[in-house]
Amino acid sequence: DQQVKQNSPSLSVQEGRISILNCDYTNSMFDYFLWYKKYPAEGPTFLISISSIKDKNEDGRFTVFLNKSAKHLSLHIVPSQPGDSAVYFCAASPWAGTASKLTFGTGTRLQVTL
Amino acid sequence: NAGVTQTPKFQVLKTGQSMTLQCAQDMNHNSMYWYRQDPGMGLRLIYYSASEGTTDKGEVPNGYNVSRLNKREFSLRLESAAPSQTSVYFCASSESTGRMSVGYTFGSGTRLTVV
Repeated sequence: DQQVKQNSPSLSVQEGRISILNCDYTNSMFDYFLWYKKYPAEGPTFLISISSIKDKNEDGRFTVFLNKSAKHLSLHIVPSQPGDSAVYFCAASPWAGTASKLTFGTGTRLQVTL
Repeated sequence: NAGVTQTPKFQVLKTGQSMTLQCAQDMNHNSMYWYRQDPGMGLRLIYYSASEGTTDKGEVPNGYNVSRLNKREFSLRLESAAPSQTSVYFCASSESTGRMSVGYTFGSGTRLTVV
């Protein structure tokens, strides 16, 4: 039972254009949502997060949008750069207390082409 | 640099062998986690430790044991390795005061192959 779903295994975007990565979830108890970026042979690194009380959070070129009624979130990268080529995981947590356990999606591989 | 350190980075085991994956963090985090990453499966939680002295099962605990040796160290043990345990293992840590706004810090992973 996949509670966090990333239905697009891969995405290719031209440099300078917008990248939109999508994520759906089924558990209505999720309170916090995060995006991680992963390069080959490295651990995931935290990118941006959003709590359920917000619908948008922005950090430089990265913006996360949350639609709670649709149980959907998306990550926008504008403008996309070659260094953004990586696997992106969305993750969700039911509560922000002790040892909040993250449930991860299966990842989307983003390729930014020149 | 501060962070999460995992050893070894690579390991090949024969079926039935045992081994321990080591993890240490120097950020004074209370909570630590072990995940495995498999193709098409994302990262799945094996075990976690909310604080020193406590451990709990995650989504896929079968075949594994853990030890929270002290606040810094959290080890994962495979008692009798099976080919199904071939995976990339990640250790992570986090503050335990609800700061999910910054999520976990992950180590660089251990690539384990069981033949």
